[in-house]
Amino acid sequence: QQPVQSPQAVILREGEDAVINCSSSKALYSVHWYRQKHGEAPVFLMILLKGGEQKGHDKISASFNEKKQQSSLYLTASQLSYSGTYFCGTDQISSGSARQLTFGSGTQLTVLP
Amino acid sequence: EAGVTQFPSHSVIEKGQTVTLRCDPISGHDNLYWYRRVMGKEIKFLLHFVKESKQDESGMPNNRFLAERTGGTYSTLKVQPAELEDSGVYFCASSQHRGGMDGYTFGSGTRLTVV
Repeated sequence: QQPVQSPQAVILREGEDAVINCSSSKALYSVHWYRQKHGEAPVFLMILLKGGEQKGHDKISASFNEKKQQSSLYLTASQLSYSGTYFCGTDQISSGSARQLTFGSGTQLTVLP
Repeated sequence: EAGVTQFPSHSVIEKGQTVTLRCDPISGHDNLYWYRRVMGKEIKFLLHFVKESKQDESGMPNNRFLAERTGGTYSTLKVQPAELEDSGVYFCASSQHRGGMDGYTFGSGTRLTVV
């Protein structure tokens, strides 16, 4: 089942912060985050595994609450280069041995100067 | 390291015609996935290869779609005959490890328009 992302879209000024949420109705092995710029390939940002993991690089970080089956992506002091569509991808335990990601509808992030 | 390559980047065909999309994954990546994104909606799973075997094809819409991965290298996705609702961006992705623990590497996609 498709994870639910919120918000669908957000507009920021450079330097502002944003949070993107991803919620699944299924138990998860992991959550992935990807960013896609218009006309380009989605690019892998990070993966969070079971266990309340938190990760980050540069000013983009994420957390994973396995009990709530939720993940959040945090963008702090946003830069123009952060603009794009952010997707969470979930590796659901119920998928059995197949193990492929199920993606949300995406969050369109626009950073203005 | 070369990335995931998809060909063509764009295709416009008439309803009822046939189109074949190709994906060259990263060399050594056993896992190859096809996804489709229709205007503003989610990136929807189509199927998953492990080497040359179809691991899961539960996302394939109907029997007009045929995917192959001969020899476990590149993959093709054929749509025959194409319908209007097949329009969208078809993405291919590959990963080395099961469950994509190393992250998926996506291609830039093939934008298919059926008119």
